[in-house]
Amino acid sequence: DTGVSQNPRHKITKRGQNVTFRCDPISEHNRLYWYRQTLGQGPEFLTYFQNEAQLEKSRLLSDRFSAERPKGSFSTLEIQRTEQGDSAMYLCATGQGASDTQYFGPGTRLTVL
Amino acid sequence: DAKTTQPPSMDCAEGRAANLPCNHSTISGNEYVYWYRQIHSQGPQYIIHGLKNNETNEMASLIITEDRKSSTLILPHATLRDTAVYYCIVRVERDTGRRALTFGSGTRLQVQP
Repeated sequence: DTGVSQNPRHKITKRGQNVTFRCDPISEHNRLYWYRQTLGQGPEFLTYFQNEAQLEKSRLLSDRFSAERPKGSFSTLEIQRTEQGDSAMYLCATGQGASDTQYFGPGTRLTVL
Repeated sequence: DAKTTQPPSMDCAEGRAANLPCNHSTISGNEYVYWYRQIHSQGPQYIIHGLKNNETNEMASLIITEDRKSSTLILPHATLRDTAVYYCIVRVERDTGRRALTFGSGTRLQVQP
C-alpha cells in the first residue's frame, strides 16, 4: 500500500453514461498524475497537476475527459459520454520535489458495455 | 526522454538472482534510469533509480554500465511474489516541464517454483 487511494476500484457503465473517479494522494505530495492502461500495454500519461494547477495534458485527454484538483489535495477524473474504447484501468500517482519517483494507487478499472 | 529496449519476457527460478537488462543507448548525461514494476492488477511500484553509480536498496540493485548505455536490475533472491512486468524508464529530473513517465512494454518476469 503506497498511501494513494482510488475509488471506486471497479466501475461498470453503459455506453453514453458519465463516470467520475477519485484519487486521494499521499498528504504531503504536491504532484498528482493520471494515467490510463489498456490490457497488455504499459500505462499512458493523461494529465498532471502541481498543487491545484493542471500543468500538462496528453493528447489522449479528449474533450470528453476532464480532471480537477480543486484544493490541491484529492483529484477527480470525469469521463462524459463514455465509449467502449474508454474501457481501461485508470491509475493515479503522486510525487513531490524534483524526483520522478511516483507512487501509484491501485487503479480504477472501468468497463463500458 | 531516451528510448529503452527490454526483452519481452524472462524466467527465473525461485531463490535465484533475477537479472533484468535494459538498453538505453541514446541516454544523455543528465538522464536518470528508473525501474518500476507492476504486479498483475495492481498499480506500478517504484523500485530504484540511478544516474551513474550503482545503487542498492531493500528491493533490488541497479547496475549501470560505465558508458551508461545499458543497465541491469538485479533481484538478488527472487520469490514468487516478484512475478511482474518490470519497466525501465530514463528521464531527466527537473522542477518544471514535462513530468509524465513514458512506459514501454517492459519485461514480464515469471519466477518459477
